[in-house]
Amino acid sequence: SQQGEEDPQALSIQEGENATMNCSYKTSINNLQWYRQNSGRGLVHLILIRSNEREKHSGRLRVTLDTSKKSSSLLITASRAADTASYFCATAGGSNYKLTFGKGTLLTVNP
Amino acid sequence: NAGVTQTPKFQVLKTGQSMTLQCAQDMNHEYMSWYRQDPGMGLRLIHYSVGAGITDQGEVPNGYNVSRSTTEDFPLRLLSAAPSQTSVYFCASSYSRQNHYEQYFGPGTRLTVT
Repeated sequence: SQQGEEDPQALSIQEGENATMNCSYKTSINNLQWYRQNSGRGLVHLILIRSNEREKHSGRLRVTLDTSKKSSSLLITASRAADTASYFCATAGGSNYKLTFGKGTLLTVNP
Repeated sequence: NAGVTQTPKFQVLKTGQSMTLQCAQDMNHEYMSWYRQDPGMGLRLIHYSVGAGITDQGEVPNGYNVSRSTTEDFPLRLLSAAPSQTSVYFCASSYSRQNHYEQYFGPGTRLTVT
């Protein structure tokens, strides 16, 4: 069963705009991770945020975590056509090496 | 480093046939796992291993076997293929960074069972 649920399922924006994706989960976690998957490829790790962290940055990525609401958001600033991909959140609960993935958000960035 | 490699990239099987999906990593990661990805779904964990000689079931283990005789290799065996096993299969590896694990994925094997 999926732990994380991404919202929206699909998002289409213009190049240069910001993209925000949300993830909600149901049980307590040790960390939450975001991954990107380009069409026909494997997943690539983007960022990990621990349960005691509230915000984390990596380049054009900003991730927030609200454990009281059991939710996280991924913000991609100044998006590029190359950011077109599916984005998945994944949570680590009791065993940190076991991840539970959501169904993903398909982001399309139009040139 | 090659990272995580998977073979084959594509495979077509007939119902009832068996086969092994290969996965190897050259990063000396202790943890390895197999996922399947179906259209519109996220990844579901099939089996995982926390080290050589140790394997355990994930969310959807039925119809699949694994073994881990070395740190590098983690093959996934389909015992008797069924159309419901048509999917894209991903292998991943990870290591502990202050007890948090981020996963490195292979390119996937696209399997069709007719």
